[in-house]
Amino acid sequence: DQQVKQNSPSLSVQEGRISILNCDYTNSMFDYFLWYKKYPAEGPTFLISISSIKDKNEDGRFTVFLNKSAKHLSLHIVPSQPGDSAVYFCAAPNYGGSQGNLIFGKGTKLSVKP
Amino acid sequence: NAGVTQTPKFQVLKTGQSMTLQCAQDMNHNSMYWYRQDPGMGLRLIYYSASEGTTDKGEVPNGYNVSRLNKREFSLRLESAAPSQTSVYFCASSEGGLAGEQFFGPGTRLTVL
Repeated sequence: DQQVKQNSPSLSVQEGRISILNCDYTNSMFDYFLWYKKYPAEGPTFLISISSIKDKNEDGRFTVFLNKSAKHLSLHIVPSQPGDSAVYFCAAPNYGGSQGNLIFGKGTKLSVKP
Repeated sequence: NAGVTQTPKFQVLKTGQSMTLQCAQDMNHNSMYWYRQDPGMGLRLIYYSASEGTTDKGEVPNGYNVSRLNKREFSLRLESAAPSQTSVYFCASSEGGLAGEQFFGPGTRLTVL
C-alpha cells in the first residue's frame, strides 16, 4: 500500500503562473517531508523540506504547505519558469520497520510552457 | 567535489549475466543507498548502508547484493540478471542516520535482454 501518494502524474502550467503540486500520505507517524526535483538523465536533487512542527516553509519561489489533519502537503512554485519543467517527487522518512529510509511518491511531471 | 558518482552510465546484459554497479561519494557521508526507478513507480529502495560496515535490505532487495567497501564506496551486484531488473539505478548518500536530505548520483540505465 502506498504511503506517499502523488495522484497527478502530470501538470502543465503557463510561464509566470503558479504551479501547485500535491502529495498525500497515509502514515500519521511521518513528521518530515522532502521534495525532490528530477531532470531527464540526471539524479534527483533536493528542493525543499518541511517539518511537522511547521505548516509552511518558503525558499525563494518555492513554498511547501503542510496540512497535518488532512495528511496533505503541496509545493507551490511562483512564478513558474520553463526551467522548472521536471519530475517532482514527494518523500518522507520511514523511521520504523526494516525498510527505514525515504519513501517516495511516484512523481508529478511538471511542464511549464513559455 | 564530484558528489556522488556512478559507473557505468549505461549497460546492456543478457539474462543470467552478472554485473556490479559502482558508486562512490566524496562528501564524507556515513549513509549510502541504492534505489531503482521504474516508469510510473517512483524510486524504490533496494539496499542501504547506515554506516561503514553495515548493510540492510530495503523495499525490493531480491536478486541483489551489496558491499560497503569503505566509507566512500557502495556497490550493487546482480548475480544473475533478469529482464525484471531492467531499470534506472540511483545511488545516494547522506550525512547521517536514515532520514533527511540525500544526494543522488546521475544513475545507471540497465537493460536486461
